[in-house]
Amino acid sequence: QKEVEQNSGPLSVPEGAIASLNCTYSDRVSQSFFWYRQYSGKSPELIMSIYSNGDKEDGRFTAQLNKASQYVSLLIRDSQPSDSATYLCAVNIQGGSNYKLTFGKGTLLTVNP
Amino acid sequence: DGGITQSPKYLFRKEGQNVTLSCEQNLNHDAMYWYRQDPGQGLRLIYYSQIVNDFQKGDIAEGYSVSREKKESFPLTVTSAQKNPTAFYLCAGSGGAGSGELFFGEGSRLTVL
Repeated sequence: QKEVEQNSGPLSVPEGAIASLNCTYSDRVSQSFFWYRQYSGKSPELIMSIYSNGDKEDGRFTAQLNKASQYVSLLIRDSQPSDSATYLCAVNIQGGSNYKLTFGKGTLLTVNP
Repeated sequence: DGGITQSPKYLFRKEGQNVTLSCEQNLNHDAMYWYRQDPGQGLRLIYYSQIVNDFQKGDIAEGYSVSREKKESFPLTVTSAQKNPTAFYLCAGSGGAGSGELFFGEGSRLTVL
């Protein structure tokens, strides 16, 4: 069973702080990694994808990948109350006909004004 | 506007009844997916389709059925064999098979009375 693990939270940070969200995965052949944001009662939306070791920055968001440690993280700088949501980590194993994207259970982030 | 349209948004059914959830897309996505989400849980894959007239079981396909007769449409039927059907159902599409960059519809919330 290939698994994706996240701290369920809630993670609470003050406005303007850095929020750090973590994710580990069990399958060493995983090649693609994604972060989705889901507001309460809404559907998920993709905010970051990362495919290579290292950091990838997009505005206030930075994704970090370490394949050797099977670890992917999402940093949110200058956190805003509008960032309050559940963040889902997803991992994809590419290749073959049986493609599946596996999601973690999500981390609830609350940004306090 | 381009997107993925799910209907109905809310649905109530009695035990023992089959129900079909609609998913239509005009994004020209080859691949389409159905996920189920329970409170406090991540997304679990029910079925996915990479091309027309072909689909594959996901992790929790028992009690569900799908069809993919047209590229634009991927309906999900929740049958009476599904033991615990009350959940939030999400349809998604992606531009290519094996891509984890999913675009989700707004979801359908099914409640079994």
